[in-house]
Amino acid sequence: DVKVTQSSRYLVKRTGEKVFLECVQDMDHENMFWYRQDPGLGLRLIYFSYDVKMKEKGDIPEGYSVSREKKERFSLILESASTNQTSMYLCATYRQGVDSPLHFGNGTRLTVT
Amino acid sequence: DQQVKQNSPSLSVQEGRISILNCDYTNSMFDYFLWYKKYPAEGPTFLISISSIKDKNEDGRFTVFLNKSAKHLSLHIVPSQPGDSAVYFCAASGYFGNEKLTFGTGTRLTIIP
Repeated sequence: DVKVTQSSRYLVKRTGEKVFLECVQDMDHENMFWYRQDPGLGLRLIYFSYDVKMKEKGDIPEGYSVSREKKERFSLILESASTNQTSMYLCATYRQGVDSPLHFGNGTRLTVT
Repeated sequence: DQQVKQNSPSLSVQEGRISILNCDYTNSMFDYFLWYKKYPAEGPTFLISISSIKDKNEDGRFTVFLNKSAKHLSLHIVPSQPGDSAVYFCAASGYFGNEKLTFGTGTRLTIIP
C-alpha cells in the first residue's frame, strides 16, 4: 500500500509567517502534487513535480513555492502567510506510466490568523 | 472558469437504494475521468475511472457512465450503504494519466439508514 505522510494534521500560523508543509511518500513515485481544498471550489492544483529538483506551476501557484531535493519528499512553502491561504492542503503522488491513481495524504488543515 | 462541475452540492439517499452522482465538463480535450471519495479528516481515495474509449466501467457496486457527446458522466452506487456517506469528487485529465487532474467541487452523499 502506498503511504503518503503529511507532517502536520493541523497548523495555526500568523499572517506574515513563513510556513513549511512537508510531504513524504514511501513508494518511489516520480510525481508529487500539492492541492488545496476549499468549500465550493473542490481541489485546486498549486504545484507539482515530476522529478527531483523539477517543479511546475499548477492552477493557483501565487503565494506559494515548492522544494523537491529528494525523490520521497515534496515541500510546500508559504513565503508570507495570508488569511486567504487558510485551507486544507493535500499532497498526492503517483507512479508514471501505469494506470495508477493519485494517492493522497490525509491533509494538513492550515489556519492563518 | 470551472471546467468540471458537480451541480449538486449534496444528496441524500435511503440505504439500499441507488445513488446517482452527476458531473459535467466543458473541456472537450478531457480524455480520462475519475471519481474519488473523501471522508472527513482523510485524503481522497480513488474509487473508479473511465477512459473516453468506453462509455461504462463497473467495479462491484460502483458503475461510472460516460456520455461524451453530452460531456457528462455519472457514478451509480447500488445498493447504497451507510459507509458510502462521504464527499465524492469527479476529476478529469487530458490524457490517460493523472497529471494536472481538474477536480469538480464535490457532492456530499448522505445515506439514510
